[in-house]
Amino acid sequence: GENVEQHPSTLSVQEGDSAVIKCTYSDSASNYFPWYKQELGKRPQLIIDIRSNVGEKKDQRIAVTLNKTAKHFSLHITETQPEDSAVYFCAASYNYGQNFVFGPGTRLSVLP
Amino acid sequence: DAGVIQSPRHEVTEMGQEVTLRCKPISGHNSLFWYRQTMMRGLELLIYFNNNVPIDDSGMPEDRFSAKMPNASFSTLKIQPSEPRDSAVYFCASSANTEAFFGQGTRLTVV
Repeated sequence: GENVEQHPSTLSVQEGDSAVIKCTYSDSASNYFPWYKQELGKRPQLIIDIRSNVGEKKDQRIAVTLNKTAKHFSLHITETQPEDSAVYFCAASYNYGQNFVFGPGTRLSVLP
Repeated sequence: DAGVIQSPRHEVTEMGQEVTLRCKPISGHNSLFWYRQTMMRGLELLIYFNNNVPIDDSGMPEDRFSAKMPNASFSTLKIQPSEPRDSAVYFCASSANTEAFFGQGTRLTVV
């Protein structure tokens, strides 16, 4: 089955700096890669996603890149703000929404 | 739509008791997922259903865990008998071929 790895497990950045989180997946059949943000005590919520036929997607301060050949994808957050502090999970899915397998998460702390 | 609805929000039970967690997915969604979240193991996929049929239950930890989806609007996750190591937050999520929407979760404590 699918296996998703995620690095780093914790990340601290100064407010205004950029943050990058990287994930790798094992199943070449995976074709949908969402990123979720989970604030303390709350449910995970989608922040951005990318399909396998796209190499990069951007939404304001966040962007995701996908390298299908290397089976890795990354989340980039620019101009970080304290409210970006949370746990971020990457996931891989096939058939665009089946069998979501999540990475172990990255705890991002944005220091004022 | 009210989103994915889980009940109860909190459950405290004694070791050995049966626990049933409930989930109502978003209407029209054809996939439903049960996850367990702990600090040590993160978000673990336990089982997922597609069109009410269990597709992959390889994440179910052992025979004490069982899940059903009798219709498109309801699913249960049952633990019998419960053990202290089952203490976790259990999330249900549903999807209509892309984004998975999560419920608020059930925090289970087995003492």
